[in-house]
Amino acid sequence: QQKVQQSPESLIVPEGGMASLNCTSSDRNVDYFWWYRQHSGKSPKMLMSIFSNGEKEEGRFTVHLNKASLHTSLHIRDSQPSDSALYLCAASTSNMGYKLTFGTGTSLLVDP
Amino acid sequence: EAAVTQSPRSKVAVTGGKVTLSCHQTNNHDYMYWYRQDTGHGLRLIHYSYVADSTEKGDIPDGYKASRPSQENFSLILELASLSQTAVYFCASSVTGDNYAEQFFGPGTRLTVL
Repeated sequence: QQKVQQSPESLIVPEGGMASLNCTSSDRNVDYFWWYRQHSGKSPKMLMSIFSNGEKEEGRFTVHLNKASLHTSLHIRDSQPSDSALYLCAASTSNMGYKLTFGTGTSLLVDP
Repeated sequence: EAAVTQSPRSKVAVTGGKVTLSCHQTNNHDYMYWYRQDTGHGLRLIHYSYVADSTEKGDIPDGYKASRPSQENFSLILELASLSQTAVYFCASSVTGDNYAEQFFGPGTRLTVL
């Protein structure tokens, strides 16, 4: 079964700093990656998605994807205390787009 | 934004009892999903459905049934609740099942089986 590995498990960054989160799939058939953010006690909400090699930027958030290595990373610049949350990476294959496989997440704490 | 609601928001059940978790969405989405979340396991797909009156098994369906009586409603049924089913359960929906369709999650139901 497809596995999605995330690292680190937890991360502390100072307010205003850069947070870098990693995610790798072990399934060579994976084509699509999603990043969801889950604040404590809340439900996951989609943050960004990436389907092509390269980089995608939305405000303070940037995602990278290397399809050859099945690796994606999420970078948060100018981190804010409100960014403190669990970040979940999910992956899907092209023939089963509805079936997301989630990693166990990176818990980010932004220290004010 | 998609509106997905769940009831109850929390539930305490006894081992061997029957539990029904309900999910309702108001955005006309075809696909609906049930996930469970446990510390150290992330989110795992239990059942999903892409049309009323039909459900499909996800990655961890054992011990769970699902029911989709209408496009808007999707239930998760634990016929004989067990301690290992203590978890937070999330319902989600998406407009289609293709790779570009974002999944929208409900607020979750915290289930404790004693």
